[in-house]
Amino acid sequence: GNSVTQMEGPVTLSEEAFLTINCTYTATGYPSLFWYVQYPGEGLQLLLKATKADDKGSNKGFEATYRKETTSFHLEKGSVQVSDSAVYFCALEIQGAQKLVFGQGTRLTINP
Amino acid sequence: NAGVMQNPRHLVRRRGQEARLRCSPMKGHSHVYWYRQLPEEGLKFMVYLQKENIIDESGMPKERFSAEFPKEGPSILRIQQVVRGDSAAYFCASSGSDTYEQYFGPGTRLTVT
Repeated sequence: GNSVTQMEGPVTLSEEAFLTINCTYTATGYPSLFWYVQYPGEGLQLLLKATKADDKGSNKGFEATYRKETTSFHLEKGSVQVSDSAVYFCALEIQGAQKLVFGQGTRLTINP
Repeated sequence: NAGVMQNPRHLVRRRGQEARLRCSPMKGHSHVYWYRQLPEEGLKFMVYLQKENIIDESGMPKERFSAEFPKEGPSILRIQQVVRGDSAAYFCASSGSDTYEQYFGPGTRLTVT
């Protein structure tokens, strides 16, 4: 089946620290991969995506590279800010299925 | 261009009552998806609809839950005879027919007392 496994949270970092949130997946087809962010009390916002192997998605200083050989899509940011505090979800979509499969989410807190 | 709208944002129901959740997709979008988020968990797919058609309901519980997306008006997720385990955040997303990229609404938080 199709599934996504994320790094357990919560994660607490100091401002300007380097961030990595691990994400691995299993999929029966050729998935597109996504990172979504959920701020408190809000819905999910698409942060970045990659649709094929070796693609790198990037947005707002965040990056993730689609690694087919390790079935991974780890999220990274070089210098986090307090405003990055949120819950981050890794997700996949099998081509043609039109439904997203989400990981369990990782809560990130950045302290000033 | 308004985003995906959901209402109500918060809904409280007693056990045994009915809950109706509404979702208006982004302008120009004809695909709607419903997801459920239990506390401290990720989102789980429930159902995918196009106008007047259910395309994939593989994530819907077999009983008490139904969804529709009529030709006119919002999509409705209906939960009959709610139980405490239905307490969750219900998110709607919509997409167009070109990229199928999903845009999410703010969610409806259902509390069953």
